[in-house]
Amino acid sequence: DVQLVESGGGLIQPGGSLRLSCAASGLTVSTNYMSWVRQAPGKGLEWVSVLYSGGSTYYADAVKGRFTISRDNSKNTLYLQMNSLRAEDSAVYYCARERRLKYFFENWGQGTLVTVSS
Amino acid sequence: NFMLTQPHSVSESPGKTVTISCTRNSGSIASNYVQWYQQRPGSAPTTVIQEDNQRPSGVPDRFSGSIDSSSNSASLSISGLKTEDEADYYCQSYDSSNHRVFGGGTKLTVL
Repeated sequence: DVQLVESGGGLIQPGGSLRLSCAASGLTVSTNYMSWVRQAPGKGLEWVSVLYSGGSTYYADAVKGRFTISRDNSKNTLYLQMNSLRAEDSAVYYCARERRLKYFFENWGQGTLVTVSS
Repeated sequence: NFMLTQPHSVSESPGKTVTISCTRNSGSIASNYVQWYQQRPGSAPTTVIQEDNQRPSGVPDRFSGSIDSSSNSASLSISGLKTEDEADYYCQSYDSSNHRVFGGGTKLTVL
């Protein structure tokens, strides 16, 4: 069975940095399209970033230049490095595996909460 | 980029059929597949419809999806409503810039 477990969330001050991790089991991160999706409290889903198996990366306009998606193949783990954090980045961050070449989310983690506040 | 617009909320009685729309504001709805996700409070989303009208294994056939080029919209229909269907529903597609796009979500109340 596929399992995605996010970690690294917490309370951080505006302007700070945080790195989220998504440990995968039952799938190989490096051969899949892996995304981060976030959900602000009481709000809808918002796609953040994707890392393709070939290494290409794409970002939502709201985070481009501040967030970096990456993976560690040896640890089978996906990451999201978040810099210059703003209050509006506060959300539950989900890691998700996409159906290859189909651009939809097939498996989701349970999410990790990031709160940006002074 | 384009936007997907959903009604904020819908409500219907148990046993009835409800339809949730998802309208694309630019470009053709048929250009890229549309998916639908169900999200219950405190849980991660799960897919109920993929690639416009395909049900993943385990999703009851009470759930169906369609697209309508004349209104440039996708729809999710749920028949024989059950109280367990009460949840938030999101449509999702993608654009030519490799961006994934979500609709704003619809809260379904089964009363």
